[in-house]
Amino acid sequence: AQKVTQAQTEISVVEKEDVTLDCVYETRDTTYYLFWYKQPPSGELVFLIRRNSFDEQNEISGRYSWNFQKSTSSFNFTITASQVVDSAVYFCALSANTGFQKRVFGTGTRLLVSP
Amino acid sequence: GAGVSQTPSNKVTEKGKYVELRCDPISGHTALYWYRQSLGQGPEFLIYFQGTGAADDSGLPNDRFFAVRPEGSVSTLKIQRTERGDSAVYLCASSLRGFWDETQYFGPGTRLLVL
Repeated sequence: AQKVTQAQTEISVVEKEDVTLDCVYETRDTTYYLFWYKQPPSGELVFLIRRNSFDEQNEISGRYSWNFQKSTSSFNFTITASQVVDSAVYFCALSANTGFQKRVFGTGTRLLVSP
Repeated sequence: GAGVSQTPSNKVTEKGKYVELRCDPISGHTALYWYRQSLGQGPEFLIYFQGTGAADDSGLPNDRFFAVRPEGSVSTLKIQRTERGDSAVYLCASSLRGFWDETQYFGPGTRLLVL
């Protein structure tokens, strides 16, 4: 069975602070994909990144960066110099080969960035 | 191009009534997914269509829930004899080919409230 844990329910920061959102996953498959989605107040899930289990390179996209560590089964997401527009709920998700098209989501982390 | 659209955006119904929720996927996407998101939770998989057929409906909670996609494009999620516990946001997503590792693009959801 697959499982995704986002232990941080809510994080509050002040604009320009860096913030890291944690994601820990469980799967018995050796082939899997990890995802991050952003859900702003409008409700639509916005895709941010996809990472496969064979690629442990960290990735940076503008102010966003992701740290994938198989040794700790973690796929953490860091926002550098946070902005008010970053306020949203962020979900980590997992798809594994034996899970086919079922994407398993964590419970989300609500990020509040105040001016 | 246009993203995934869902109608209605909000639906209020009374316990015991029948409801239909509609999803219009991204043009050309063969795979379509329904998820349910309860308050404070991540999306939960309900059903996956590949073309016109339901390839995996293992997430449907009981036989009151049914979904169709008769022409391989628009899908309708049908809920009979609604219960208060069915209140949630119902999300639809689509992907190009339905491969397990593909990015799924989400619609804005239908917020269902059963009184």
